[in-house]
Amino acid sequence: GESVGLHLPTLSVQEGDNSIINCAYSNSASDYFIWYKQESGKGPQFIIDIRSNMDKRQGQRVTVLLNKTVKHLSLQIAATQPGDSAVYFCAETLYGQNFVFGPGTRLSVLP
Amino acid sequence: KAGVTQTPRYLIKTRGQQVTLSCSPISGHRSVSWYQQTPGQGLQFLFEYFSETQRNKGNFPGRFSGRQFSNSRSEMNVSTLELGDSALYLCASSLEDTGGEQYFGPGTRLTVT
Repeated sequence: GESVGLHLPTLSVQEGDNSIINCAYSNSASDYFIWYKQESGKGPQFIIDIRSNMDKRQGQRVTVLLNKTVKHLSLQIAATQPGDSAVYFCAETLYGQNFVFGPGTRLSVLP
Repeated sequence: KAGVTQTPRYLIKTRGQQVTLSCSPISGHRSVSWYQQTPGQGLQFLFEYFSETQRNKGNFPGRFSGRQFSNSRSEMNVSTLELGDSALYLCASSLEDTGGEQYFGPGTRLTVT
């Protein structure tokens, strides 16, 4: 598969536990944020998004929290499964243009 | 509905050559963005096209260029290839022109020797 990042921060969690992946974004004016999942050999896959007028959004097994005061995003994955193992990226944008991606975090789910 | 397709999937070129990569967006999507992904720099935005017009451009040299056709298909071109251009080049399409979910293709792995 493709090598997404050789020295990414890694989060290891036990199967069934909850995972929290953090991201610091750079532009306080950014109005839209997305979390992506990238598996080896594939392009990033949309997980969940949030607009700047919200501080929390829930999806299926995932929750995104936005703290604009400290420019921080987090992705919470409930009941983590082996299929969740991947690299996770946050992305920020203003007016849907010039998406800026974070460096990524590798999630490793232990059996 | 078919996803974003990119061709070719793998490519090997020599320094100094030029290369053209192709992206077909999801049917109905008018916005196409290109990204470069490397282990060292991560995902970096190259440019975005909407309705055949380049709307945004990232911080890449002029050797990187692109275009979009009337059917929304897009190509990117890199001239005078350098070793540092070796990367995974990703294309993403979206329906909206102001934010919204981007759908990525599998990428083209370019190796410059």
